[in-house]
Amino acid sequence: DIQMTQSPSSVSASVGDRVTITCRASQDISSYLTWFQQKPGKAPKSLIYAASNLPSGVPSRFSGSGSGTDFTLNISSLQPEDFATYYCQQYNSYPITFGQGTRLEIK
Amino acid sequence: EVQLVESGGGLVKAGESLRLSCAASGFTFNSHAMNWIRQAPGKGLEWVSYISSGSSYRYYADSVKGRFTISRDNAKSSLYLQMDSLRAEDTAVYYCARATYPHYGDYWGQGTLVTVSS
Repeated sequence: DIQMTQSPSSVSASVGDRVTITCRASQDISSYLTWFQQKPGKAPKSLIYAASNLPSGVPSRFSGSGSGTDFTLNISSLQPEDFATYYCQQYNSYPITFGQGTRLEIK
Repeated sequence: EVQLVESGGGLVKAGESLRLSCAASGFTFNSHAMNWIRQAPGKGLEWVSYISSGSSYRYYADSVKGRFTISRDNAKSSLYLQMDSLRAEDTAVYYCARATYPHYGDYWGQGTLVTVSS
């Protein structure tokens, strides 16, 4: 199974800050990576797919990069609605696996 | 508008069975593979099972293999998860989600809660 390791597990930041979350795969997954945002009591929402593609409707302050084993999610200028938990997911092979999550909290 | 609506969750005792359903609308269901994903209370996301668009391929997490069965009825635009021999550790919110390339996981349902008492 492919292990997905996210860091940090939690981060405190202020509105307007830039935040970077990283995700490392235990083996090459090409660009088969999705980033999700999840708020309490809600289903996950896709933010970035295929490592660097922004779905329609997702604000441009979100961006993703990387390929192979190392990936990054950047939020360029935090907004109040961005405080949530973020997960990476690999879909290169089954079983599909997720990172453990990064909790983004207000400083 | 794409919609996925899960149902069938509830409170059961360990060893009992439950069948979850996911009703799909707003897209051509028989063209899309589907996943079940779960989230235990206060925990992260765990993939449970996958089924291809025509049901030819089905995969399961080791934690549910032999106990859970995924199926679909394309004529009814519905996805199912038959859960047998339930355990306390199966307690979670269960989500259905599309497994579409390249935008894998583009749509999710709202989830249905399964609680297994020991």
